Amino acid sequence: KQEVTQIPAALSVPEGENLVLNCSFTDSAIYNLQWFRQDPGKGLTSLLLIQSSQREQTSGRLNASLDKSSGRSTLYIAASQPGDSATYLCAVKPQYIFGTGTRLKVLA
Amino acid sequence: EAGVAQSPRYKIIEKRQSVAFWCNPISGHATLYWYQQILGQGPKLLIQFQNNGVVDDSQLPKDRFSAERLKGVDSTLKIQPAKLEDSAVYLCASSLTDSSYEQYFGPGTRLTVT
Repeated sequence: KQEVTQIPAALSVPEGENLVLNCSFTDSAIYNLQWFRQDPGKGLTSLLLIQSSQREQTSGRLNASLDKSSGRSTLYIAASQPGDSATYLCAVKPQYIFGTGTRLKVLA
Repeated sequence: EAGVAQSPRYKIIEKRQSVAFWCNPISGHATLYWYQQILGQGPKLLIQFQNNGVVDDSQLPKDRFSAERLKGVDSTLKIQPAKLEDSAVYLCASSLTDSSYEQYFGPGTRLTVT
């Protein structure tokens, strides 16, 4: 049974720092992995989608990598800003299993 | 492009009452998903539709939950009767076709069962 783990559960950093969020999954038979952010009281916003054949995807200050063999994905956020404060979730398909998220706070 | 629409945004009911949620996906999206998100947890898939057919409802508590997607567009999720443990945010998402495409989420409906 697929299990998805996100570490750390919470993270607090000063503005301007580069940071890495981790997502681990137990079953490497995935179609793709998607990263989302969720602001309090709101739905999920898609950040990046990595297909199983890809190694990484980039969008602006965000870079996500995927290593299927080790069951890991990382989300790298460069030059963090207070507006990046949110909960970050990863999800793997086809199982549609989500991690419990990393709650990020960027301090001004 | 309009996003995924959901209503109502908030609902408070007593246990054993019934409730229904509505979702309108992004135009042209064939696949629609309903998720349940309990506070502090990641979303859990309840049901996935491809057009108006059910692809996966293995985690839907069928004794009390039901969902339909008539005409392959809008969808409703119903709970009857509600239990205290049903208190959660119910999220609707859609994608262009199958799981290879990005999912887009609506704002969710926050349900409180008292």
